[in-house]
Amino acid sequence: NAGVTQTPKFQVLKTGQSMTLQCAQDMNHNSMYWYRQDPGMGLRLIYYSASEGTTDKGEVPNGYNVSRLNKREFSLRLESAAPSQTSVYFCASSEGQGAAYTFGSGTRLTVV
Amino acid sequence: GNSVTQMEGPVTLSEEAFLTINCTYTATGYPSLFWYVQYPGEGLQLLLKATKADDKGSNKGFEATYRKETTSFHLEKGSVQVSDSAVYFCALSDRGGSNYKLTFGKGTLLTVNP
Repeated sequence: NAGVTQTPKFQVLKTGQSMTLQCAQDMNHNSMYWYRQDPGMGLRLIYYSASEGTTDKGEVPNGYNVSRLNKREFSLRLESAAPSQTSVYFCASSEGQGAAYTFGSGTRLTVV
Repeated sequence: GNSVTQMEGPVTLSEEAFLTINCTYTATGYPSLFWYVQYPGEGLQLLLKATKADDKGSNKGFEATYRKETTSFHLEKGSVQVSDSAVYFCALSDRGGSNYKLTFGKGTLLTVNP
């Protein structure tokens, strides 16, 4: 049972570099989400995709873009990384409206 | 809008002590309620859930009852173990309208000492 798979697990970037965080789920879930987790801030929603073909902004979308490539995959792109984007990033998926989430194990990103 | 307030930590207990983590919510519709647990270095895992008033969710010795009259969903365990040390998140999902998002509390760090 793979669930939600995130790659990479760790990444160090220099300011201004770009990168894409990958997320894939094998549960045939409709909805997918990207969160960041920072000390004392809890979880903050960056972007979500309610269903294949749609994406919407969350609480903190600035500096990020997303692509729902197909039903399984939802990627998060940082075009020009900044130190303020140092965080742990979690991808999650759910069946949809009102359903529980399944989370990936996270990507620890450091921007220097 | 929806919101979740949970007790601030950290909470430190001795093994076999009783645990309560308070959670209250504000929602415009009829939410489902969840508790998630995050062990060190891992993602969040669903611990238990309740979908309607007076439902009791339970798992691994943890329990929480959906109290609509007090808008609460407090997490309890009768006897904690060192392995329960983790961060616990309360969350709600408003099933009304087109809301696909969970609203999370800020998390409560629990440390259980032997």
